[in-house]
Amino acid sequence: NAGVMQNPRHLVRRRGQEARLRCSPMKGHSHVYWYRQLPEEGLKFMVYLQKENIIDESGMPKERFSAEFPKEGPSILRIQQVVRGDSAAYFCASSPLAPEQFFGPGTRLTVL
Amino acid sequence: RKEVEQDPGPFNVPEGATVAFNCTYSNSASQSFFWYRQDCRKEPKLLMSVYSSGNEDGRFTAQLNRASQYISLLIRDSKLSDSATYLCVVNANAGNMLTFGGGTRLMVKP
Repeated sequence: NAGVMQNPRHLVRRRGQEARLRCSPMKGHSHVYWYRQLPEEGLKFMVYLQKENIIDESGMPKERFSAEFPKEGPSILRIQQVVRGDSAAYFCASSPLAPEQFFGPGTRLTVL
Repeated sequence: RKEVEQDPGPFNVPEGATVAFNCTYSNSASQSFFWYRQDCRKEPKLLMSVYSSGNEDGRFTAQLNRASQYISLLIRDSKLSDSATYLCVVNANAGNMLTFGGGTRLMVKP
């Protein structure tokens, strides 16, 4: 049973470009969460999705950030017009609605 | 006040030592509690869930005190491979977001 998959593992963007991060949950898991870890800081919740629905986006910045989890395919975290402060590790986790969440390897975004 | 507070460390201990980490949380409605381990530049990995009755997994023992809103992790007979950052994590409800402490860094030395 493959774990949570994320790609790309590393992403470099110039200021003003768009970043798209993808996450495929573990088989049988219908709940996806995105977290951000800024350098030298702890993980912070961003958004919680189920298939075709955003359940909780209380941690998402109000502008430039969006997330989706379509009926088919991976969950996507999209960051428009990236700025240097967006440089971070973005982790996706999945859960079968048990309290435990299992994390993917993360995407490290660097904004030049 | 942070929702989940941990001593950032680092804790530098020799191999074979016993080390204890503590954590406090502010949300009295929290329902689930965990310790995760995070190695440098890697994803968090679930170490163990924490129950009110306390639970043990090999060299690791976790305790929860709901009245004091306090969680602990005890590691016995430390190994070099235990060197990592240990994250105290709480969850208000199954299906909700996890709230992470800042982590406690452990370095086990030969």
